[in-house]
Amino acid sequence: QVQLVESGGGVVQPGGSLRLSCAASGFTFSSFGMHWVRQGPGKGLEWVAFIPYDGSKKYYADSVKGRFTISRDNSKNTLYLQMNSLRAEDTAVYSCAKDALAAVAASDFWGQGTLVTVSS
Amino acid sequence: QSALTQPASVSGSPGQSITISCTGTSSDVGGYNYVAWYQQHPGKAPKLLIYEVSNRPSGVSNRFSGSKSGNTASLTISGLQAEDEADYYCSSYTTSSTRVFGAGTKVTVL
Repeated sequence: QVQLVESGGGVVQPGGSLRLSCAASGFTFSSFGMHWVRQGPGKGLEWVAFIPYDGSKKYYADSVKGRFTISRDNSKNTLYLQMNSLRAEDTAVYSCAKDALAAVAASDFWGQGTLVTVSS
Repeated sequence: QSALTQPASVSGSPGQSITISCTGTSSDVGGYNYVAWYQQHPGKAPKLLIYEVSNRPSGVSNRFSGSKSGNTASLTISGLQAEDEADYYCSSYTTSSTRVFGAGTKVTVL
């Protein structure tokens, strides 16, 4: 079955960096676009970034553009999010999500997320 | 990239029907038939309920239905059940090839 397992979260000071990973299994990772989505404490979902199946382009929310970088390694079935210049407002649970098969702009599987806390 | 507008909360009694609205702009909801709806129970990952405005993935109850008019999409839950109590989020494709979510709606079954 499809599994998405995030890792790499933790506590970091403002201005610091973290690299999140999302290990995928149970589907042909190299055939699907992937997203990062975050959810702040007690808040709603916020789309963060998207990378298509081949990594040819990258798209970002305005709130993270220039600070975060999405990437993927299809040989390792792994999605990444490099987060630099972190701010308190980046504190959230970060989840990866898989594009749905035969559906545009929808995600059919999500990981449980990894918590990132930005605090001094 | 402002969040789509959803009511903060909607409630209904078991068996009733409720509708959740999701209002955007011509750059997202109104410009494309690429609206999705997700259900999220506390501490759980979101579940896809509706894609491309009105399509249900396999396994999703036909009590959930979606529609769109202009810049506003809607999710209707018919025959409300206790297990439907959850947070619901809409999302849309945008002209920037990005995605945007709604702020979320808490559904309470009275």
